Amino acid sequence: EPEVTQTPSHQVTQMGQEVILRCVPISNHLYFYWYRQILGQKVEFLVSFYNNEISEKSEIFDDQFSVERPDGSNFTLKIRSTKLEDSAMYFCASSGTEYTEAFFGQGTRLTVV
Amino acid sequence: AQSVTQLDSHVSVSEGTPVLLRCNYSSSYSPSLFWYVQHPNKGLQLLLKYTSAATLVKGINGFEAEFKKSETSFHLTKPSAHMSDAAEYFCVVTPKGGGNKLTFGTGTQLKVEL
Repeated sequence: EPEVTQTPSHQVTQMGQEVILRCVPISNHLYFYWYRQILGQKVEFLVSFYNNEISEKSEIFDDQFSVERPDGSNFTLKIRSTKLEDSAMYFCASSGTEYTEAFFGQGTRLTVV
Repeated sequence: AQSVTQLDSHVSVSEGTPVLLRCNYSSSYSPSLFWYVQHPNKGLQLLLKYTSAATLVKGINGFEAEFKKSETSFHLTKPSAHMSDAAEYFCVVTPKGGGNKLTFGTGTQLKVEL
């Protein structure tokens, strides 16, 4: 069964450092998403991406965040200068169309120290 | 704006007994509603979804949910719990036609005991 894969599963980084979270969406999907879950809080939408550009983003997705599809298979989330409050589980998802089921990866747990 | 409230953060049942996970929604628009499940170290998996057809929705692994507009509820049920059902369950809402910009509830941790 096709699945979304995320790497790494855990990442620890120092405050102020840049991190890149990687995702390989399902191969024939065209829509890509990032969500995050701070420990003890809700899963929150960050951004959606289609046709090589951001289609929608939340208030959380400020200038320190960026997304990219550098090649035909990867979808990345970059945090330029990490803060303690960026510590969270980050989920990548993809869907075939805007309105069909979103398939989620297993998440990357980011810890900023 | 839309939101969901999951009324129980933890639910514990015995194997073979019914499961009820409660969810109430608030939406300015006619909503689409989903239940997702997350097993340990796994991604979020779609259990079932309500868009606008039948109000009783059947999903995978014997789960079902009923959309009740008058009660603004979308509770998840299963007649007989199995040990493998132990996981975290998320009620999710999006405006109909709102694509995959999903609004999640806080989650309910289901524990299944022998």
